[in-house]
Parts: sequence; structure tokens; C-alpha cells
Amino acid sequence: DIVMTQSPLSLSVTPGEPASISCRSSQSLLHSNGNNYLDWYLQKSGQSPQLLIYLGSNRASGVPDRFSGSGSGTDFTLKISRVEAEDVGVYYCMEGLETPKTFGQGTKVEMK
Amino acid sequence: VHLVESGGDLVQPGGSLRLACAASGFTFSGSWMTWVRQAPGKGLEWVANINEDGSAKFYLGSVRGRFTISRDNAKNSLFLQMNSLKDEDTALYYCAKDMSTAGYQYWGQGTLVTVSS
Repeated sequence: DIVMTQSPLSLSVTPGEPASISCRSSQSLLHSNGNNYLDWYLQKSGQSPQLLIYLGSNRASGVPDRFSGSGSGTDFTLKISRVEAEDVGVYYCMEGLETPKTFGQGTKVEMK
Repeated sequence: VHLVESGGDLVQPGGSLRLACAASGFTFSGSWMTWVRQAPGKGLEWVANINEDGSAKFYLGSVRGRFTISRDNAKNSLFLQMNSLKDEDTALYYCAKDMSTAGYQYWGQGTLVTVSS
């Protein structure tokens, strides 16, 4: 199984400031079709996860443009350009290349 | 799109449980479906998925042989039959609509399975 490693595991952010989360996979998520099979999810307290980014850099429907995904192969990054109070929660990366699909451990984002 | 899980309960180790997920708002028979679980206070864990007509099924290694995913397209329903349950199967179980390469855009609210004597 592919192992997904996120860092940091917790992040304290100031509203209006940028934030960044890293996700590394134990093997390349770059498919021969040119797509990176990496998704990002946010789980707010008491809620189901919500999709933010798919295929490494594509924002899901309704996701604010302050969220962006980048990276290729084994190294990926989720960036929030200006953090807002509603962005608190736990962020997960997930590889979609192989089965079973695997998630990172999660990064807990809270406000300073 | 609306996904509603049910069937979660308290069950003893070694027992069985059948979860259901009622789907609406999309063409259920045209979509892969997935179960994901989350143990209390822990992260997300992919459990199983099934293709559109139920002919292809894939499982997490630790549940293979104990869990069976299935679907009834006539009733727009997804199921997870869980046998030989273990303490470590205790979790909130979510069903999710698999958007193929576009991730899991839609999730249910989850149903809680507690395995304990």
C-alpha cells in the first residue's frame, strides 16, 4: 500500500496570513496519462469530510480560490493564500492511484 | 446529491452488522461507490469500493474476507456486510460517491459502529 505522510501534523495560523501543508507519498502518484492522483480534503469539527482539491491541483466545485494545490510525483502542497476562521479543521491528503486508497494522518489547523 | 447511512449499532466482537447507504439526486447505477471509516479521534481510512454494476469490488486488506460490499441499483442503495467484527472495526462509517478521477465530492453523515463486549 502507498504510505502518505503529511507535515506538519498541527498548524496554528493567524487570520489573513498564508498557510501551507505538505503531503509526501511513498511512491509516485503520477499516472501515465499525466495526472497526479492526489486529493485534499477538509474535515471540520463534527462534519463529514469535504473535497477541496482533486488530481493534485483542481479545485472542487464551490471551493474558494484561496485554496490551491500543487506538486507532482511524490511531493504535494496545499496552500491557503489568506486563512479565514472557517478554514479550521483537519486536512487530509489521499492518494487515488492504487487500491486500497490511503489517506495521510491529517493536519490539524487552528487559529492563533 | 444525498447520501444517508444507516445500520450502525453496538455489537459484540465476532458479531455481524449490515450497513446501508440510501442514495438520491444522481444516477446511482452510473457511479462507483465507496465506504470510508473513521475510528474515534482518528483519521480517515478507506474500506472498500464497488463499480457501477457490482461486478468489481475492492477491499482494505484488514477487512478482506470479513466485509462484503454490495449494491442494489434498483433501490439506489449501497451496503456493507460486516462479519467477524473486531474491536478495531469500531468507527464512524461513511459512504461516498466516487467521482472516478475527481475524488469524493459527496459524503453521507456517517453511521456509528461500536464493537465491544
